[in-house]
Amino acid sequence: GAVVSQHPSRVICKSGTSVKIECRSLDFQATTMFWYRQFPKKSLMLMATSNEGSKATYEQGVEKDKFLINHASLTLSTLTVTSAHPEDSSFYICSARDRTGIHEQFFGPGTRLTVL
Amino acid sequence: GQQLNQSPQSMFIQEGEDVSMNCTSSSIFNTWLWYKQDPGEGPVLLIALYKAGELTSNGRLTAQFGITRKDSFLNISASIPSDVGIYFCAGQGKKSSGDKLTFGTGTRLAVRP
Repeated sequence: GAVVSQHPSRVICKSGTSVKIECRSLDFQATTMFWYRQFPKKSLMLMATSNEGSKATYEQGVEKDKFLINHASLTLSTLTVTSAHPEDSSFYICSARDRTGIHEQFFGPGTRLTVL
Repeated sequence: GQQLNQSPQSMFIQEGEDVSMNCTSSSIFNTWLWYKQDPGEGPVLLIALYKAGELTSNGRLTAQFGITRKDSFLNISASIPSDVGIYFCAGQGKKSSGDKLTFGTGTRLAVRP
């Protein structure tokens, strides 16, 4: 149980285009999902906390207009990187917390974004 | 954002050897977690620690939640080739702060057969 999927697993796009990444909890409902970014050989850095039915909470230094987050249902959150640039190339990982209130976050397999 | 200090940064050991890594923070956490990440994958939870002083095992892995709540260590006994990967500690704050995780800088483990 507690499986989180991400789609796509890998995406290459041209500079200036927008890219949408989906995060789904497959066998549980998640009121809260988290989006992380990981640069090569670096740690995971929290970008934002996504709450079902409300606006996401962004970490300091993360542009909310550039990284649009939508958490429209208890099993789906999306991250849209708008007007992507090469410096946005990174590994984006989501995690989801079961609504039963257990603290554990279950992580998705990540999405590798490459902006040319 | 804040990161936890994790050491060593990397380790290259012989199969069968024991491994020890630790994580320190300037802040107190209510929960300490240890994850393993394989290349191109998301992190997978290894051990969760919920109480200061707690010592928990999961197979060959043993982790402890420091008494000060500002540190934790992870031991791997009798390492095997599939232990290769990056190990991250993570501290979790209060539920009122959103249960956010703060990750360590990572320890890269290589195992020589």
